[in-house]
This record gives sequence, structure tokens and C-alpha cells, in this order.
Amino acid sequence: GQSLEQPSEVTAVEGAIVQINCTYQTSGFYGLSWYQQHDGGAPTFLSYNALDGLEETGRFSSFLSRSDSYGYLLLQELQMKDSASYFCAVRDNYGQNFVFGPGTRLSVLP
Amino acid sequence: DAGVIQSPRHEVTEMGQEVTLRCKPISGHDYLFWYRQTMMRGLELLIYFNNNVPIDDSGMPEDRFSAKMPNASFSTLKIQPSEPRDSAVYFCASRRGQGSNQPQHFGDGTRLSIL
Repeated sequence: GQSLEQPSEVTAVEGAIVQINCTYQTSGFYGLSWYQQHDGGAPTFLSYNALDGLEETGRFSSFLSRSDSYGYLLLQELQMKDSASYFCAVRDNYGQNFVFGPGTRLSVLP
Repeated sequence: DAGVIQSPRHEVTEMGQEVTLRCKPISGHDYLFWYRQTMMRGLELLIYFNNNVPIDDSGMPEDRFSAKMPNASFSTLKIQPSEPRDSAVYFCASRRGQGSNQPQHFGDGTRLSIL
């Protein structure tokens, strides 16, 4: 089976940098994805890592270490609109499903 | 491009009633997923389809839940009879292809309240 762990909450101020960690245990591994969900909204795709290293997309970057079963999402130059929940997800080894982590609620303060 | 379309956006009904949730995936997407989200259990997969065929329904809570995909542009999730513990946000998502780098596109969800 699969299990993913994330911190439940993170708080930071505007303009700061924040890192949201994700550790996973899976029977197989096909990459780590990150999704953002605003209150009352739908999850939206942010990034995907299949190989070790850092992937950068604007203010957001995502990192993966397969040997450590660990990844993180890095948000730079935080803005108020970044206040949301962030989910890591891994693909089920035996199917096409993405198993989602419990989510990290990010609060950005002025 | 139109995204994944779900209806209704909100549903309030009394326990024991039948509830039908609807989803129109993005055109050309061959995978369709139904999720349920609650505070206690997070985002859980209920069932997914590939080319209209149910592939994995192991997440369906019990026999009260059923899902169909009669064609590539429409799917339903039905709960009969509904119970208060079914109250949740139900999301439909679709994806093109098998690649893990292909993102899932979520609809806006149906907020279901069973009284």
C-alpha cells in the first residue's frame, strides 16, 4: 500500500520562502506530484517530479529524492493568494490512481 | 477549453433519498476518477474508469455507492440510500493518457449534505 506524510499546517509572512515536505512509502514509484487547493475550490496541478532533483516553475519549485522517499514543494516570494492547502501525491504502482497525502494548510500573513 | 464539469454544485437532501452526481470530463481524456473529500479522511479515490470501463472500484465505501460511465463524455456517481455520513465534497477528475506526468484535472466538486 501507500502512505504519505505532510505537516498539517505551515504559517509564513508575505515575501518569505516556505518549504512543505512530503515523505512517502509506496510499493512502487512513478513520480511525485503536487496540487494546490484553495478553500472551496478544486485541487489544481502544480508540479511533477519523476527523477531526483529540483524542478522550477516560476515562484514554485519541487524537489525529489527517491533514495530518501522524500520530496518538498518550495514557494518563494509568498503572496496572500498562496494561502491554500497543498497536497503531494504518488501514483499507485498497480494502477493509474494518484494517492494523495493529507495536505498541508499554508497560511500567508501580511 | 472547457474543464471538467460537475453537477449539481450543491445538494442537500434527507437521509434515505437517492443522490446522483454527474460529471463531464474534458474531451479527449481517457481516464476519469471520482474522489470524496472530508476533513477526517482527506481526498479518497472511490473509483476510476479507463475508456469508459471501471478499472478499480476498491474505494467505493459499500454497495450503496455505484458509478457508471455510459460514454466518453458522461459519468454518474449514485448513492442509494444516502446516509448523513456520506456528506462530503465529491470531485470528478479526468486525465489524458497513462503517463504519471499527465496531471489530473478536477471539476469544482459537488458539496453534498445529507440531513
